[in-house]
Amino acid sequence: QKEVEQNSGPLSVPEGAIASLNCTYSDRGSQSFFWYRQYSGKSPELIMSIYSNGDKEDGRFTAQLNKASQYVSLLIRDSQPSDSATYLCAVIQGAQKLVFGQGTRLTINP
Amino acid sequence: GAVVSQHPSRVICKSGTSVKIECRSLDFQATTMFWYRQFPKKSLMLMATSNEGSKATYEQGVEKDKFLINHASLTLSTLTVTSAHPEDSSFYICSARGGGGSADTQYFGPGTRLTVL
Repeated sequence: QKEVEQNSGPLSVPEGAIASLNCTYSDRGSQSFFWYRQYSGKSPELIMSIYSNGDKEDGRFTAQLNKASQYVSLLIRDSQPSDSATYLCAVIQGAQKLVFGQGTRLTINP
Repeated sequence: GAVVSQHPSRVICKSGTSVKIECRSLDFQATTMFWYRQFPKKSLMLMATSNEGSKATYEQGVEKDKFLINHASLTLSTLTVTSAHPEDSSFYICSARGGGGSADTQYFGPGTRLTVL
């Protein structure tokens, strides 16, 4: 079982709709969770971090965490073509190691 | 805030040469820096963790004599790929921790694309 799992996609969403990205993790002791966005040929850019169960909203982005189910998700409202990218879920394991999922490729169709 | 730079952004070298990549935290002090590599259409793979003033901790399977890491100050870490070969061609990305977010948030540099001929 991979430590952090994501559906690799591609996920296609029409412009203006809600994009939903999902991630599961194996280490039940994990406490810190991150979503990064990576455009082709570029390095990852931090979108959100989440540490507590429930929802955390920042603009059009909402991160959701359910530690009992070992599940973290990212919702993007009012999707824009500029949101087209690969979204990486990452989880802190151990003292400081950031473990990434394989990423979900998202395409927003105008 | 929390800006991380890398230099060079792109390098092409001949097989057998050594290449040094610099990673700098521009507006914060980074107690810990990380080095990753990424192959096309793959996720990031952690190579090593670098703490200022101490030896780097390498991940399993990463040759420490081939990938030399130095973290001489709180704002600078370097990765040297020694005797580079074509299979070392990859996208190398550093990250730094300590930039105003939570204590465990990592901020990434723009990456260095290495091509070994």
